[in-house]
Amino acid sequence: DAKTTQPPSMDCAEGRAANLPCNHSTISGNEYVYWYRQIHSQGPQYIIHGLKNNETNEMASLIITEDRKSSTLILPHATLRDTAVYYCIVRVRSNSGYALNFGKGTSLLVTP
Amino acid sequence: GAVVSQHPSWVICKSGTSVKIECRSLDFQATTMFWYRQFPKQSLMLMATSNEGSKATYEQGVEKDKFLINHASLTLSTLTVTSAHPEDSSFYICSARASGGTRSGQFFGPGTRLTVL
Repeated sequence: DAKTTQPPSMDCAEGRAANLPCNHSTISGNEYVYWYRQIHSQGPQYIIHGLKNNETNEMASLIITEDRKSSTLILPHATLRDTAVYYCIVRVRSNSGYALNFGKGTSLLVTP
Repeated sequence: GAVVSQHPSWVICKSGTSVKIECRSLDFQATTMFWYRQFPKQSLMLMATSNEGSKATYEQGVEKDKFLINHASLTLSTLTVTSAHPEDSSFYICSARASGGTRSGQFFGPGTRLTVL
């Protein structure tokens, strides 16, 4: 799986958009970008994934650059409950039977 | 989405005893389940991968005789920490892989906090 680089921490004011970057310059053509988050003392939660097109769901939007070497997860209106560690993971589609490998992620703190 | 449960959510035990943690996929069948361990302020580390009906595959550095994994059915996997010691205190998280339809992907349980005294 391609390596990812994320900033260790970010702050965001409640109600504002949180933009979390991820670099994955060695991504292969068949690798997807997945985002998970982990709220303190809970299991990871799936957020969104994409291959090359931008994606949006009820939780977030995923913007992938045209060269696919980086992406941004956008939480449009961050709330205090969005405080968590966010993990960007690049891998072939997860039905391959191999586990997701977690890096250090970005610790997002949403402040009042 | 697909739901994965773990039991117990937390456990405290004495050094030298064994502890069993259950992981269940509640609304889907999981041919593959994964066990992770997470120490404070660290990321999740994969311990082992188990496929229903076969022996688990352990990651390098994880003792298979100490961390016994049984994946006897398509909805249940168990992790037994044998002869637990204080250094085994950690947050153990299981994950199950769903395949096909709208539930494809890897889904995580809520975790089990193990404290060994």
